[in-house]
Amino acid sequence: EIVMTQSPATLSVSPGERATLSCRASQSVSTNLAWYQQKPGQAPRLLIYGASTWAPGLPARFSGTGSGTQFTLTISSLQSEDFAVYYCQQYNKGWTFGQGTKVEIK
Amino acid sequence: QVQLQESGPGLVKPSDTLSLTCSVSGGSISTYYWSWIRQPPGKGLEWIGNIYYSGSTKYNPSLESRVTISVDTSKNQFFLNLTSVNTADTAVYYCARAGLWGNWFDPWGQGTLVTVSS
Repeated sequence: EIVMTQSPATLSVSPGERATLSCRASQSVSTNLAWYQQKPGQAPRLLIYGASTWAPGLPARFSGTGSGTQFTLTISSLQSEDFAVYYCQQYNKGWTFGQGTKVEIK
Repeated sequence: QVQLQESGPGLVKPSDTLSLTCSVSGGSISTYYWSWIRQPPGKGLEWIGNIYYSGSTKYNPSLESRVTISVDTSKNQFFLNLTSVNTADTAVYYCARAGLWGNWFDPWGQGTLVTVSS
């Protein structure tokens, strides 16, 4: 099984600041990686797939980079609606999720 | 726009079978892969399994001995059966579309909480 490790577990950021979230795979997943946002009481929402392709309607302040085993989700200027938990997910071999990064208000 | 809706009992007794239905509206269940994913309270996401509209399935190895996913294309529904449940199976269960090749999950249903308790 491919293990996905996200860091940090919690990220405290002020509105308007940049947030950088990391996701590491235990073996190469090429660019077969997606990112999701989950707010309390809601289902996860797809943000990015193919490591860097925006889901329809995603604001441009979100961007994804990486390939192989190292991936990054960047939110360039945090808005109030961006405070949530973010999950990465690989679909290169099976389907596994990271444990999540909570982005909270500083 | 495709929408998914989970339904089924919210309470299941230990050792019983958990059975859920995902109803797909706004589009045909044919052509795509469809998935079940769960999330224990306060924890992360766990993929349970996928089914193609033709009926072929793939399951999480950790659950494979207890899981069956099936599909009824005439009703635009797919189903989850999880046998011999225990308290560790208490979770919000989501159904989702896994795309043409079974890759990322979009969209998702709203989720349904299933509690395993006597």
